[in-house]
Amino acid sequence: EVQLVESGGGLVKPGGSLRLSCVASGVTFNSYNMNWVRQAPGKGLEWVSSISSSSSYIYYADSVKGRFTISRDNSKNSLYLQMNTLRAEDTAVYYCARSYSSSWYSPLGTWGQGTQVTVSS
Amino acid sequence: EIVLTQSPGTLSLSPGERATLSCRASQSVSSSYLAWYQQKPGQAPRLLIYDTSSRATGIPDRFSGSGSGTDFTLTISRLEPEDFAVYYCQQYGSSPETFGQGTKLEIK
Repeated sequence: EVQLVESGGGLVKPGGSLRLSCVASGVTFNSYNMNWVRQAPGKGLEWVSSISSSSSYIYYADSVKGRFTISRDNSKNSLYLQMNTLRAEDTAVYYCARSYSSSWYSPLGTWGQGTQVTVSS
Repeated sequence: EIVLTQSPGTLSLSPGERATLSCRASQSVSSSYLAWYQQKPGQAPRLLIYDTSSRATGIPDRFSGSGSGTDFTLTISRLEPEDFAVYYCQQYGSSPETFGQGTKLEIK
């Protein structure tokens, strides 16, 4: 069974840092783009960042550019999101999601269960 | 950035009825790279439809998608009790990928 499991969320003060991890099992990881999507409490979905299969291409939403860094380790079937200078508006459930197909233009086919990030003093 | 506007915000229907959800883009969606997701409370989203009209693996054929350019539709032909949820559209043809704000499908 294809599974993505996120970890690393928690409560952090404004200006602090967190590193999220996502481990894939039962799935071909290294051939697919990977993504982070977040959902603030009671709100809709917001794409955060994407990374290509070989890490050659990386994209960020304007709201996190310069503060967040996405990376992956294909040898460990793992995806990461380093989040620095956190703000209250970064509070959300963060989902790891694998692209549905190995082509560049692909929707998000497999999602993790999400990890909660709360930024509050 | 392409802004996606979904309507209605809330749709109240009964099991067995037909549901029609709309997603309008602020500019043309490249190559019809438009997807629909279903999300139930406390769960991650689930991919239903991609490339405007292709059903994802395991999705029942009561779900169908259509449209082109800036106007897209998700249709659920006969609502089952498990279909009541929030539905999001997403375009993935232009960066940044964007989502609509969601349509809540509730039991009447």
